[in-house]
Amino acid sequence: DAKTTQPNSMESNEEEPVHLPCNHSTISGTDYIHWYRQLPSQGPEYVIHGLTSNVNNRMASLAIAEDRKSSTLILHRATLRDAAVYYCILRDSNYKLTFGKGTLLTVNP
Amino acid sequence: EAGVVQSPRYKIIEKKQPVAFWCNPISGHNTLYWYLQNLGQGPELLIRYENEEAVDDSQLPKDRFSAERLKGVDSTLKIQPAELGDSAVYLCASSRGRGHIGELFFGEGSRLTVL
Repeated sequence: DAKTTQPNSMESNEEEPVHLPCNHSTISGTDYIHWYRQLPSQGPEYVIHGLTSNVNNRMASLAIAEDRKSSTLILHRATLRDAAVYYCILRDSNYKLTFGKGTLLTVNP
Repeated sequence: EAGVVQSPRYKIIEKKQPVAFWCNPISGHNTLYWYLQNLGQGPELLIRYENEEAVDDSQLPKDRFSAERLKGVDSTLKIQPAELGDSAVYLCASSRGRGHIGELFFGEGSRLTVL
């Protein structure tokens, strides 16, 4: 399974942008980059996914490096409700999602 | 649209007892997943179904764990007998089906405590 590397934790202030990095140097050409987040006592929630091009949706933006060996999830204005564990995952050609430990995001008021 | 429904939310049992978890996926979703999540860790896949077929059960400890999805809709995950190390959250997720690259929808999970 392809692996991703994320910082264990990050901190942000409310209403400021947050850039969550992810390294995936062994990514293959058919792996999609997915991001999920998990709030306390809840199941993971889909955030965004992409293959090669940058992606935007109502929750976040995904910036993918040209060589696809890294990506960054961007929350444009963090709120207290964005405090969660964020998982960067490579979804392989067998449609398998393999979660790592993720990044614990703390948002300060 | 109703989300993925799991029950029970919480279960406390003594070791060696059996336990079962139930999952009802989103209507029309052909793919169903069972994940296990230990405290402080990311979810780990136990089994994936495409309709009623288990297409990936390589991580399911088959000596004590079993799962079924008889009519390709809801699913049951069973542990018999439970061990102390089985204490975890058991998550069910669903998606539209094979070939769908998009999102998985997760339930709230069933938290198991084995005493």
